[in-house]
This record gives sequence, C-alpha cells and structure tokens, in this order.
Amino acid sequence: DAKTTQPTSMDCAEGRAANLPCNHSTISGNEYVYWYRQIHSQGPQYIIHGLKNNETNEMASLIITEDRKSSTLILPHATLRDTAVYYCIVRPQGSQGNLIFGKGTKLSVKP
Amino acid sequence: GAVVSQHPSWVICKSGTSVKIECRSLDFQATTMFWYRQFPKQSLMLMATSNEGSKATYEQGVEKDKFLINHASLTLSTLTVTSAHPEDSSFYICSARHRQASGRAWGNEQFFGPGTRLTVL
Repeated sequence: DAKTTQPTSMDCAEGRAANLPCNHSTISGNEYVYWYRQIHSQGPQYIIHGLKNNETNEMASLIITEDRKSSTLILPHATLRDTAVYYCIVRPQGSQGNLIFGKGTKLSVKP
Repeated sequence: GAVVSQHPSWVICKSGTSVKIECRSLDFQATTMFWYRQFPKQSLMLMATSNEGSKATYEQGVEKDKFLINHASLTLSTLTVTSAHPEDSSFYICSARHRQASGRAWGNEQFFGPGTRLTVL
C-alpha cells in the first residue's frame, strides 16, 4: 500500500505556481520522498527527490517540513504541458525498496 | 541521459497468442528492471522485479508462468504475456534502475519507459 496521501485533483492557472501537497506521516528515517509525474498514456517521469532538506532542480522545488511528515512539490511557472498525474512516493534509498504508486494528484493547468 | 525504451509501443493480438515486450536502457546499465501494469484510470501496479542474470521476483497475485520475464543483460529485459486473454489488455510499463551512484542525480533512481499498450481481442 502507498504510504502517502494526496488530493485527488487540483487546478492551476497557466504561468502561476502549482503547489502540490503530500502527507507521509508514517515516513521512516531512512526513507526519501520522491516525486514522479505521468502525462496521459506515457510512462512516469522522474521529477525530484529529497530526504529532509529542501531541493530544487530545473523542473521543480521540493519543500519538506521539519518533522518530515509532509512535503510540497512546487512548479514555479506551470504550463499547459505540466498537466499530468503527480505521484508522491516514499522509498528507502539504496538497492532495496521499489516504487509503490498511489493514486496521485491530477493537476490540470488551464489557460 | 537515462533513457529507457520499450518495443512495441502498442500491439493488438488475438486471444490465446503470446506477446513479447522489450525494455532497453539506452545509455546506462541497469542492475534491476521492473515491470508495471496500469489499467485505465488506475495507478501503476508493480508486477515483478528482475535482476540481471537471475530469476524475477513476482508480486503477490501475478502469475509467473503467464508473465515470463527474461533479464539477459544489463540493458535488456523482456516480458512475454503467454496465452493472452482480453483481461490482460493493459498498459505495460518497464522501469530501470541505474547501476551506479555516480553523483546524486543518478543514485538508484528509476527511469521509466514510454509504455506498451496491449489490446487482446
């Protein structure tokens, strides 16, 4: 079973920041928070991951609360092509631990 | 980098036939490959995990004799759906885990293929 909870769907205006929340209250000390997204009829795409510090890359920023029980993925300037299902997944780093997908959040970016 | 390909991208077959799907890591070596299945409007479900040169580990409820997995090299894994039936129609997605952690961005991340749409008539 997925160890995260996410809203079923969200809307965002094109050009605005999209903030996608994720709750992972039972996360263990050795588990990372991963974010993937899946555009319709495509394979999932890796976005970002982190342990406890905030992370940023060319795609997004990841903000993890100090107690690590929740996180937020931020797409700073959403475009129509960011419309997708976004999955928040917790998984141990290292060779163990498969990616177990929950239901994710369907983000719709509107013009 | 970190590109995973699948072939074919879609396939239609008759009930009772077998279908082979290939998954390749194009620019990296994958110690582990994963096979997922996704039904319409549902999330991805892990079917099996395969390590190069060893037998695949199947998730509970997945028939190993029906879904044959071969991981013969560090860049190729195949999934064969044997005696396919209409209920096997689904979107099959493979994923590969990078061999070495040569920098944070490559450390054990899984990269996914584009998926194969199987329709069994």
